[in-house]
Amino acid sequence: SQQGEEDPQALSIQEGENATMNCSYKTSINNLQWYRQNSGRGLVHLILIRSNEREKHSGRLRVTLDTSKKSSSLLITASRAADTASYFCATVESGAGSYQLTFGKGTKLSVIP
Amino acid sequence: NAGVTQTPKFQVLKTGQSMTLQCAQDMNHEYMSWYRQDPGMGLRLIHYSVGAGITDQGEVPNGYNVSRSTTEDFPLRLLSAAPSQTSVYFCASSYTKGRADNNEQFFGPGTRLTVL
Repeated sequence: SQQGEEDPQALSIQEGENATMNCSYKTSINNLQWYRQNSGRGLVHLILIRSNEREKHSGRLRVTLDTSKKSSSLLITASRAADTASYFCATVESGAGSYQLTFGKGTKLSVIP
Repeated sequence: NAGVTQTPKFQVLKTGQSMTLQCAQDMNHEYMSWYRQDPGMGLRLIHYSVGAGITDQGEVPNGYNVSRSTTEDFPLRLLSAAPSQTSVYFCASSYTKGRADNNEQFFGPGTRLTVL
């Protein structure tokens, strides 16, 4: 089952613009993680936000979490061509077993130089 | 540290053949897992292990076997390959600390498998 669902599926922006991706999930969570995948490569962890946190920053990344709406957003500010990648959220579904990390289908971001 | 390594990078099999995808990590991680990634489907968990000698099924375990005899290695075996198993396979590892979402997962570079 897909716990996290990213939106939009694809996003194309100009270099220097901000990119916002959203993730919605179905059950209660403890933590939510965001990952990046460059074409043909493995996933790389970006940031983890806990259920008792509302916002977290890491460099040009800003993640928000709204547990009442079961949603999270990833904002990349001042985008660069190197940010072109797919972005995934990941959670553990309540009731699925605490060791089963579930990924969404991802948002494909294209940053045009 | 080499991190998470996977071999082979590419593999072509015929229907019915068997093979083992190798995964190794040198970070002394307790938790290891296998995912498959198909277009439009995201990543789906096949099997996982929380330590040597302990394995469990994920979302799509049918047609795959795993074992964990050492902390470092977590091979994935395809018993009788089928075209539906054509996919990109990723191995990942992390510290356990109770839950898979407590810690970042470190991913290998993937194995691209085609079954004819």
